[in-house]
Amino acid sequence: QKEVEQNSGPLSVPEGAIASLNCTYSDRGSQSFFWYRQYSGKSPELIMFIYSNGDKEDGRFTAQLNKASQYVSLLIRDSQPSDSATYLCAVVYNTDKLIFGTGTRLQVFP
Amino acid sequence: DAGVIQSPRHEVTEMGQEVTLRCKPISGHNSLFWYRQTMMRGLELLIYFNNNVPIDDSGMPEDRFSAKMPNASFSTLKIQPSEPRDSAVYFCASSPVAGIYEQFFGPGTRLTVL
Repeated sequence: QKEVEQNSGPLSVPEGAIASLNCTYSDRGSQSFFWYRQYSGKSPELIMFIYSNGDKEDGRFTAQLNKASQYVSLLIRDSQPSDSATYLCAVVYNTDKLIFGTGTRLQVFP
Repeated sequence: DAGVIQSPRHEVTEMGQEVTLRCKPISGHNSLFWYRQTMMRGLELLIYFNNNVPIDDSGMPEDRFSAKMPNASFSTLKIQPSEPRDSAVYFCASSPVAGIYEQFFGPGTRLTVL
């Protein structure tokens, strides 16, 4: 069983819409959760992290965490074509190493 | 800050040859990670170091792979002998403290084994 699961997509949304990206994880003891964005041919870069249940907002991005359901999500409001990328969910496993999902490809069309 | 530096950026080699990938982490970061990314398997952790000491190498695919970190500013990942299935993008990342802070990724090395 994979430790971090994401829908591979592509998820296509029109410009200005809300994009919702989802992630589930298997390690109930995980405490830290990260969302990375990876443009084609580039390296992953961190956009959000969340440690506590609930929502965390940063500009157009909101991360949501539900530890009981082992579920993490990323909402992107007012999506822009420049948001088109692959979004990787990462979960800290065994307190010190990140396990990445395979990513969800997001396409924002004008 | 120059960020994580990796070399070479691209490597094309023939099956059976030795390949050495290099990484310079961000100064002051105590943790260093080597990842491999392929379309089929995504981003996989190969090995990571804390304070230059290998902590977990359970992701290293087989004995053909080895990694060293002789000092805080340099690490190598070696494949000997290389095989076509090793073709992938290899990323090095560093972090101030493993598991707590974000990891900063280098630009990656695209390896092609013919």
